[in-house]
Amino acid sequence: NAGVTQTPKFQVLKTGQSMTLQCAQDMNHEYMSWYRQDPGMGLRLIHYSVGAGITDQGEVPNGYNVSRSTTEDFPLRLLSAAPSQTSVYFCASSYSISSGASYGYTFGSGTRLTVV
Amino acid sequence: GENVEQHPSTLSVQEGDSAVIKCTYSDSASNYFPWYKQELGKGPQLIIDIRSNVGEKKDQRIAVTLNKTAKHFSLHITETQPEDSAVYFCAASISGANNLFFGTGTRLTVIP
Repeated sequence: NAGVTQTPKFQVLKTGQSMTLQCAQDMNHEYMSWYRQDPGMGLRLIHYSVGAGITDQGEVPNGYNVSRSTTEDFPLRLLSAAPSQTSVYFCASSYSISSGASYGYTFGSGTRLTVV
Repeated sequence: GENVEQHPSTLSVQEGDSAVIKCTYSDSASNYFPWYKQELGKGPQLIIDIRSNVGEKKDQRIAVTLNKTAKHFSLHITETQPEDSAVYFCAASISGANNLFFGTGTRLTVIP
């Protein structure tokens, strides 16, 4: 089925460890983004990309890195995990606003990360 | 950046009643306002959206209204059903940008 695929679904890390959250989409969407969801705080934008080779920071980028080598993939890297990064992470994709197509987001099913 | 506020944070209604969720935004340059429904353990799913050149949009039991002057928009669900129980998020996007800024969510419970 077409959509956004996130792996893993669950992960427990120790403080200081690093890891990569994977995100892939098969809809040929130009735009991809990462959000974190915390209780009472909604969804906050971490990083986003408007196309392969182009990335930029969102509202809460500290402690995270991204890259976009292909249109399909947009991995999120935690460099040195901290308890404050315990959250549910969502990847989303859409057509670029400049394409003129509807740019409603398609979200993945999320990765629940716990840092101890 | 854009600041989106959403109220109420929780809402309980009897099955068959209507539910209304309200959001305000801060940036007058925002021109796209989607609503997402998130069921337990899943990612948010787009249910309806509206652009700033439209005042109201309906899709079966769901409607969204937009007041650009007051910078607020609302989600209306009529004839609520138990399967409408979920967390609902409003969002806003500034003209020319793909990025969405989300409200803090409303947990809707429909009581059978």
